[in-house]
Amino acid sequence: DGGITQSPKYLFRKEGQNVTLSCEQNLNHDAMYWYRQDPGQGLRLIYYSQIVNDFQKGDIAEGYSVSREKKESFPLTVTSAQKNPTAFYLCASVNGEAFFGQGTRLTVV
Amino acid sequence: QKEVEQDPGPLSVPEGAIVSLNCTYSNSAFQYFMWYRQYSRKGPELLMYTYSSGNKEDGRFTAQVDKSSKYISLFIRDSQPSDSATYLCAMIKSGGSNYKLTFGKGTLLTVNP
Repeated sequence: DGGITQSPKYLFRKEGQNVTLSCEQNLNHDAMYWYRQDPGQGLRLIYYSQIVNDFQKGDIAEGYSVSREKKESFPLTVTSAQKNPTAFYLCASVNGEAFFGQGTRLTVV
Repeated sequence: QKEVEQDPGPLSVPEGAIVSLNCTYSNSAFQYFMWYRQYSRKGPELLMYTYSSGNKEDGRFTAQVDKSSKYISLFIRDSQPSDSATYLCAMIKSGGSNYKLTFGKGTLLTVNP
């Protein structure tokens, strides 16, 4: 089946650690996106990539990094510089319409 | 002024009611419009996708776009308890291959049996 897979579903991070969230798609879409969702804030854009080996900062990129070495994959690293990383993270791929994964819930412990 | 405005609700209706959800936008460059349904702790699910003014119907759902007023709506007929979710509007500006999405904040809907 075509779709977007995010893993893990739940992730726990200690203070000061970097963690990487996985996003894989087999829809053959060029564009992929990472959003953060907090209660009452809606979806906020972290990073997006229109094509392999290229990506742009979104509205809240500080403390995050990405790579786009393959069309299918767009991993997001939450670094220790991100002051408030506890949130629900959503990955999407776009080709006109946008399709989302099921999200990763990150909690700092 | 935010580019996309959406009343966050919450909205509570009885089963069988007609639900109207709305978004307004300020930039006429938005040309593609989507509605998503998001259940708690799940990713958003695409419900409707439109790119022209007018109505688009799919089962109990109708998406309406009025580009002259910069206003979009989602109507749900014969609402069911299973429709209880957060509904998000999303828009894409025209222009090359730039597919940058802009979302409303979402409206929380509860349909009571």
